[in-house]
Amino acid sequence: GNSVTQMEGPVTLSEEAFLTINCTYTATGYPSLFWYVQYPGEGLQLLLKATKADDKGSNKGFEATYRKETTSFHLEKGSVQVSDSAVYFCALRRSGNTPLVFGKGTRLSVIA
Amino acid sequence: GAVVSQHPSRVICKSGTSVKIECRSLDFQATTMFWYRQFPKQSLMLMATSNEGSKATYEQGVEKDKFLINHASLTLSTLTVTSAHPEDSSFYICSARERQGGGEKLFFGSGTQLSVL
Repeated sequence: GNSVTQMEGPVTLSEEAFLTINCTYTATGYPSLFWYVQYPGEGLQLLLKATKADDKGSNKGFEATYRKETTSFHLEKGSVQVSDSAVYFCALRRSGNTPLVFGKGTRLSVIA
Repeated sequence: GAVVSQHPSRVICKSGTSVKIECRSLDFQATTMFWYRQFPKQSLMLMATSNEGSKATYEQGVEKDKFLINHASLTLSTLTVTSAHPEDSSFYICSARERQGGGEKLFFGSGTQLSVL
């Protein structure tokens, strides 16, 4: 079946450090891939997405590239800020009307 | 932007009682709402999909008589955990789908942490 595996948290970084949160997936066909972010006390928000191989999604300094050969969609940011502290969820969707399949979420804490 | 309001954010109840969780789309009409739950150290798992005015579709392994979903209007869906037990303690999140032209967007509530004593 379809599944998403992302790195276990929590991840604690100092401000301006480089961030990588690994995400790999298992799916039939060519799913769309997503990163969602949940800030404290808020709902999940779409951070970025990619719909086909080699696409790069980017937003707010975060990037992730759809790598079909490694079935990965790792999230990166060159210089994190305290305001990036949140829980990050990797997700996939096989086709337009199918539900999202989520990973377990990775909690990121950035300290000044 | 579009907002989904979910209440309560946290509830503690005794075993055997029922708990209702509300999910409202505040400035758009949600023809479809999704209910997820997340056990500690596990993934967000889809429980059910509900379309306004029709019965919810439950995922395999989710008891429809235990988790009652009502989606009576385009802006409100409720999840009632009936006769809750400690094993139902979990984080529940709703999501509402807004169709926009040829596409769609998903908006999530902030979640409800249910603890059953």
